[in-house]
Amino acid sequence: DSGVTQTPKHLITATGQRVTLRCSPRSGDLSVYWYQQSLDQGLQFLIQYYNGEERAKGNILERFSAQQFPDLHSELNLSSLELGDSALYFCASSVESGQRGETQYFGPGTRLLVL
Amino acid sequence: DAKTTQPPSMDCAEGRAANLPCNHSTISGNEYVYWYRQIHSQGPQYIIHGLKNNETNEMASLIITEDRKSSTLILPHATLRDTAVYYCIVRVSGSGGGADGLTFGKGTHLIIQP
Repeated sequence: DSGVTQTPKHLITATGQRVTLRCSPRSGDLSVYWYQQSLDQGLQFLIQYYNGEERAKGNILERFSAQQFPDLHSELNLSSLELGDSALYFCASSVESGQRGETQYFGPGTRLLVL
Repeated sequence: DAKTTQPPSMDCAEGRAANLPCNHSTISGNEYVYWYRQIHSQGPQYIIHGLKNNETNEMASLIITEDRKSSTLILPHATLRDTAVYYCIVRVSGSGGGADGLTFGKGTHLIIQP
């Protein structure tokens, strides 16, 4: 158990809909990262938040957005969903963002299926 | 971050040491070598990391060559539960600009045979 929690575990929805994925980082961790894992693209970094502020962006679509709240939990919002958005979504956390070489710990993921 | 090359798959007998190689010939002096594994769609699990010295923890050992162009992850007594995809990631240390996420390649699918 990494200490990172994600809800829900599974989500089934229809094209065009909007969903919200939630992540709670390990106690004391200030940084939260979101990743997407699809069959054809592998594990890809989407976005990072540090202490409530957006810190870095990866391959995140404009239809996707995220935020980190004062209690440090984070939400990933996916809108206008398409079939290709079906994937595993992982959240990771680390102590702080000052060191790029620091260790990230991953949650169990949310499996999203868009029908 | 430097690119890594790993064999796509490996087999190892249960109870034997599993040695997973990784080439990172373009590694820079300030880049760490990280290893993660992913067991069947679970979240990636951190294993170990190092800069230039060999490292050991309760899960594995990491051997980095003197020129740092390659490394080997060693699982000393592999069990069936070690069957997973193992990712070698080279990553800059220290603060800096650019994306801060990990870059995962295709990894090595390690299969532990009973």
